[in-house]
Amino acid sequence: DIQMTQSTPSVSASVGDRVDISCRASQDIGSWVVWYQQKAGKGPKLLIYAASTLQTGVPSRFSGSGSGTDFTLTISSLQSEDFATYYCQQAISFPWTFGQGTKVEI
Amino acid sequence: EVQLVESGGGLVQPGGSLRLSCAASGFSFSTFWMNWARQAPGKGPEWVVNIRQDGGEIYYVNSVKGRFTVSRDNAKSSLHLQMNSLRAEDTAVYYCVGYYYETSGYPVPYWGQGTLVTVSS
Repeated sequence: DIQMTQSTPSVSASVGDRVDISCRASQDIGSWVVWYQQKAGKGPKLLIYAASTLQTGVPSRFSGSGSGTDFTLTISSLQSEDFATYYCQQAISFPWTFGQGTKVEI
Repeated sequence: EVQLVESGGGLVQPGGSLRLSCAASGFSFSTFWMNWARQAPGKGPEWVVNIRQDGGEIYYVNSVKGRFTVSRDNAKSSLHLQMNSLRAEDTAVYYCVGYYYETSGYPVPYWGQGTLVTVSS
């Protein structure tokens, strides 16, 4: 199985900050990466697919980059509603696998 | 709007069985791959099973092979997960997930809100 590693379990930030969240795959997965946001008690919400394509309705302050094994989710100017846990997931081969998550907190 | 509503979760003893269901609406169910994923308390999500639009391809994560069975009814826009021989480590929120492949070939997934399964004596 492909391993997805988010090496930073949590990030402390303030409203207005730029936040970068990294994710590394154990092998080349091209652009087959999805990013989710999850808040307490809710299911994951799709933010980005194909590594950099913003899902419809997601604010443009979110962006994704990278290919191959290294990927980044960027929040350009953190808003209060962005405090949550973020997961990357590979979608190139079954079983699809997730990173351990990065919690963005104050 | 894509809507996925899970049901059937609850408390079950180790070794017991449970059947989860997912009611889909707002999209053409028969054109989506469907999946179950789960998330144990305090953990990240884990993919459990994928089933192709016609049911002809199914992939299970190793930890549930032989114990869980997925099925879908395209006429009723519903997805099911029969879970047998349940273990404490199966305790999790179970999510129904549907996805389609957009024109570039990449999957676009949608998640339900989940149903809690607790395996405990």
